[in-house]
Amino acid sequence: AQSVTQLDSQVPVFEEAPVELRCNYSSSVSVYLFWYVQYPNQGLQLLLKYLSGSTLVKGINGFEAEFNKSQTSFHLRKPSVHISDTAEYFCAVSEGGGTSYGKLTFGQGTILTVHP
Amino acid sequence: KAGVTQTPRYLIKTRGQQVTLSCSPISGHRSVSWYQQTPGQGLQFLFEYFSETQRNKGNFPGRFSGRQFSNSRSEMNVSTLELGDSALYLCASSRTGGFSSYNSPLHFGNGTRLTVT
Repeated sequence: AQSVTQLDSQVPVFEEAPVELRCNYSSSVSVYLFWYVQYPNQGLQLLLKYLSGSTLVKGINGFEAEFNKSQTSFHLRKPSVHISDTAEYFCAVSEGGGTSYGKLTFGQGTILTVHP
Repeated sequence: KAGVTQTPRYLIKTRGQQVTLSCSPISGHRSVSWYQQTPGQGLQFLFEYFSETQRNKGNFPGRFSGRQFSNSRSEMNVSTLELGDSALYLCASSRTGGFSSYNSPLHFGNGTRLTVT
């Protein structure tokens, strides 16, 4: 069974500073990897996904993530954050192979707080 | 294009009662998944439906059930409510339910917040 560990439960950062949210996963098979963002009282919005190909994935709102198979990591980065990036971020994994219909395994979330 | 719609947004129920939550997927999406979100357990997968058939199921007791209609709308039912069922219930839709296609990510609704007293 797969699992996801988000190494930081909270990350405070100042506006316009760079940020990295860390995610490690554990799985015995090939995986698909995702980052979602959740704003207060809302559902989850997809930021980016890795299915195959280039290990550097670019998403919406200036976010990017790098898949590292040897380190089983999928860290999320943004070179310059805005106040509006304050939210909770979730890393998720789905097993490849096409049998894990609809099922993502999520990490516990990282609350990003951007200070002026 | 309208997003995933969940109704109602808020529910307050008493222990022992049952509850039904509704989800309307994005037009053209045939797969609907349900998740429970709590502060302690985080986001946990409940089940997935495609063409009115349950294809995948998480580790929840039988009190949690669902169904999907021919128009892809889905309902989730929780019977004999317990205090621990208080949570945000999220519905997500996608074209196929699989993740191998770049065109089939999960799109989430804003959830139904259930409070059991």
